[in-house]
Amino acid sequence: SQELEQSPQSLIVQEGKNLTINCTSSKTLYGLYWYKQKYGEGLIFLMMLQKGGEEKSHEKITAKLDEKKQQSSLHITASQPSHAGIYLCGADSGRSQGNLIFGKGTKLSVKP
Amino acid sequence: NAGVTQTPKFQVLKTGQSMTLQCAQDMNHNSMYWYRQDPGMGLRLIYYSASEGTTDKGEVPNGYNVSRLNKREFSLRLESAAPSQTSVYFCASKLTGKAEAFFGQGTRLTVV
Repeated sequence: SQELEQSPQSLIVQEGKNLTINCTSSKTLYGLYWYKQKYGEGLIFLMMLQKGGEEKSHEKITAKLDEKKQQSSLHITASQPSHAGIYLCGADSGRSQGNLIFGKGTKLSVKP
Repeated sequence: NAGVTQTPKFQVLKTGQSMTLQCAQDMNHNSMYWYRQDPGMGLRLIYYSASEGTTDKGEVPNGYNVSRLNKREFSLRLESAAPSQTSVYFCASKLTGKAEAFFGQGTRLTVV
């Protein structure tokens, strides 16, 4: 079965610094999603990537999918306290891509 | 739009009790999912339903049953709750295929 591995597990950065979170799949990714979760709340959709080499940006967050479609990175530029939370990557998997699986998440803390 | 609505938001059960978690979506989505989230474990898929009338096991189905009552509703039942089922449960829905999933706000379940 497909698995998603995220790194690092947790990250503490000073406000204003850049950071990168990685997501690696054991199989080819047919749809890769990035979500953000604040403590005790549901998940908020950030971006979806489908094509090898694709890159998308939303405000100060950029996500890329590598050409082989097995690895994605999420990059935050000039981090702010509002960026703090848990970032999860997800992917369509399994029979007919109907199964939606997630990595274990990366906990981001931003120090003012 | 209400999106994905989960009930209840909080629940405390005694070991051996049964209960049903309700989930409804108003976005005409084909696919619906139930996840549990535990510290350090990320989101683990319990069951999913790719369409009305079909359900499939996810990563951790033992101890749970589901019913896709109609296109809108997907319920999760614990027949005999165990302390190991203490967790936060999330319901999600999406259009089958490469589209973002929408999440409910979660149900915090404690089994004592």
